[in-house]
Amino acid sequence: QVQLMQSGAEVKKPGASVKVSCKASGYTFINYGISWVRQAPGQGLEWLAWISTYNGNTNYAPKLQGRVTMTTDTSTGTAYMELRSLRSDDTAVYYCARTPYSSTWYDYWGQGTLVTVSS
Amino acid sequence: DIQMTQSPSSLSASVGDRVTITCRASQSISSYLNWYQHKPGRVPKVLIYDASSLQSGVPSRFSGSGSGTDFTLTISSLQPEDFATYYCQQTYSSPPNFGPGTKVDIK
Repeated sequence: QVQLMQSGAEVKKPGASVKVSCKASGYTFINYGISWVRQAPGQGLEWLAWISTYNGNTNYAPKLQGRVTMTTDTSTGTAYMELRSLRSDDTAVYYCARTPYSSTWYDYWGQGTLVTVSS
Repeated sequence: DIQMTQSPSSLSASVGDRVTITCRASQSISSYLNWYQHKPGRVPKVLIYDASSLQSGVPSRFSGSGSGTDFTLTISSLQPEDFATYYCQQTYSSPPNFGPGTKVDIK
């Protein structure tokens, strides 16, 4: 069965970086893109980024440009999202989601990774 | 960027009620509109894609309509498991923004 398994919760200080992983299983990794979405406490869903696992093309939310990088390791079927220069308002649950190339919705989601930014 | 709004922001309803949630885009997005259900402690789940197509496995009491700038999610007969927050998302252009959400709780 399709699964996206994310790395565990992180606590970081302001200005630090965090790298969240999303390991896919149960399907051919390069046949689907991966998107990242976050939800801050008490807030709604916010789209962050997308990566083509086939050729590495990326698309980032304008508000995160310069602070976020998405990468993949096709040998292990893992996607990574690195967020730098962390601020308190980056505190959120971060989700990865499988994104079919032929469609525009997210059909499977990781379980979420809580990133807490606090001094 | 295309901005998405939803109304109402929250509503209280009873089991069996018909519930309608509206989503509006700041410019035409054709039918590139998805609806997600999100429950606390769970991952979001797609209900409707391309404005009106029901995702496989989603109960038929959920339906979507609309095109251009105005869209609607309807739950024909609210069930206990439907109490959640509902988000629309446009995928017409990047960034594929979500609406602010509509929380449906028990009256």
